[in-house]
Amino acid sequence: GENVEQHPSTLSVQEGDSAVIKCTYSDSASNYFPWYKQELGKGPQLIIDIRSNVGEKKDQRIAVTLNKTAKHFSLHITETQPEDSAVYFCAATGNQFYFGTGTSLTVIP
Amino acid sequence: GAVVSQHPSRVICKSGTSVKIECRSLDFQATTMFWYRQFPKQSLMLMATSNEGSKATYEQGVEKDKFLINHASLTLSTLTVTSAHPEDSSFYICSAVDRVGTDTQYFGPGTRLTVL
Repeated sequence: GENVEQHPSTLSVQEGDSAVIKCTYSDSASNYFPWYKQELGKGPQLIIDIRSNVGEKKDQRIAVTLNKTAKHFSLHITETQPEDSAVYFCAATGNQFYFGTGTSLTVIP
Repeated sequence: GAVVSQHPSRVICKSGTSVKIECRSLDFQATTMFWYRQFPKQSLMLMATSNEGSKATYEQGVEKDKFLINHASLTLSTLTVTSAHPEDSSFYICSAVDRVGTDTQYFGPGTRLTVL
């Protein structure tokens, strides 16, 4: 089955700096890669996603890059704000849906 | 669009009782819904996949007689935790996939279950 690894597990950045979270996957059949943001006590919210026929996607301060050859994809948050503090999960989907282990992001004001 | 609700958001019950959690897709039809369980500071663990009008598919190690799932309509799935015990205390989250055929999962806000 698929194995999705996510790094780092915790990340602290100063407000205004950028944050990068990386995920690797093992199943070459995976073709859809969403990113979710989960605030404490709430369900995950989809923030951006990318499909295997695209290398990069951007939505305002958030971007995702995908390297199919290396089987890794990354979330980039620029100009971080305190409200970006949350746990972020990557996921890889082929025949099934696999979550990464999560990254706890803290943006220090 | 793509809003998923869960009810209740929090529930406290005594050991031995059963608890039902509802998951609804509010503005779309969902042929498939998923039920997850999440422990503190951990990732989501898939419990079962629920397809409208058919039996749920449970992940290995998940007791189907303990976690009863019913997906009676394209907008509603229910999870019933039967004969709950303290170790069943957890955060339960559902998600739904749009019937149109995308693979994007939209998650509900979760239900915090505490079994005394």
